[in-house]
Amino acid sequence: QVQLVQSGGEVKKPGASVKVSCKASGYTFTNYGISWVRQAPGQGLEWVGWVSGYNGNTNYEQKFQGRVTMTADTSTSTVYMELRSLTSDDTAVYYCARDKNAQVREYWGQGTLVTVSS
Amino acid sequence: QSVLTQPPSVSAAPGQKVTISCSGSSSNVGSNNVAWYQQLPGTAPKLLIYDNDKRPSGIPDRFSGSKSGTSATLVITGLQTGDEADYYCGTWDSSLSAGFAVFGGGTQLTVL
Repeated sequence: QVQLVQSGGEVKKPGASVKVSCKASGYTFTNYGISWVRQAPGQGLEWVGWVSGYNGNTNYEQKFQGRVTMTADTSTSTVYMELRSLTSDDTAVYYCARDKNAQVREYWGQGTLVTVSS
Repeated sequence: QSVLTQPPSVSAAPGQKVTISCSGSSSNVGSNNVAWYQQLPGTAPKLLIYDNDKRPSGIPDRFSGSKSGTSATLVITGLQTGDEADYYCGTWDSSLSAGFAVFGGGTQLTVL
């Protein structure tokens, strides 16, 4: 069965960076891309970007361009999302999700809470 | 401000039917398939409907979806207390060269 297991919660100070991991299993990693979606407390879902499991190509939501980097490690079937220059507005649960296609986030990880506080 | 528009909340009694709408534009709902997600309290979202009206394995047929023009609809029949959750629509927006994924603001379902 498809599983996406994310790293644990993080507490960061404003201006710092955070790197969240998402380890995939139960399918051929290189056949699918992974999206990152975040959810601020009490708010809705916001797409952050996508990374290809095949060749590491990326597509980031415009508002995160220059501040986010997503990578894929085929040797460990793990994708990473690094977000830099954190502010309190980045406090959210970050989910990774395997994409069925561009329109569909098919399987989701359990989420990683990133808290930005001084 | 979400790209797709959903009602903030809906409610109905057990056994009844509820409809949740999702309104977009020609660059997203109007030209791409729509998916629906269910998020139970404290858990990750779960895919409920994809390609407008298809159910993943294990999703009961009480859940159905449709799309017409720039709007999509999720219908839940035979409501159960376990259906209390937030529901989100999502799709792709082709307005930029690379495109991007978009979601509705979410609809909180209360089963009275």
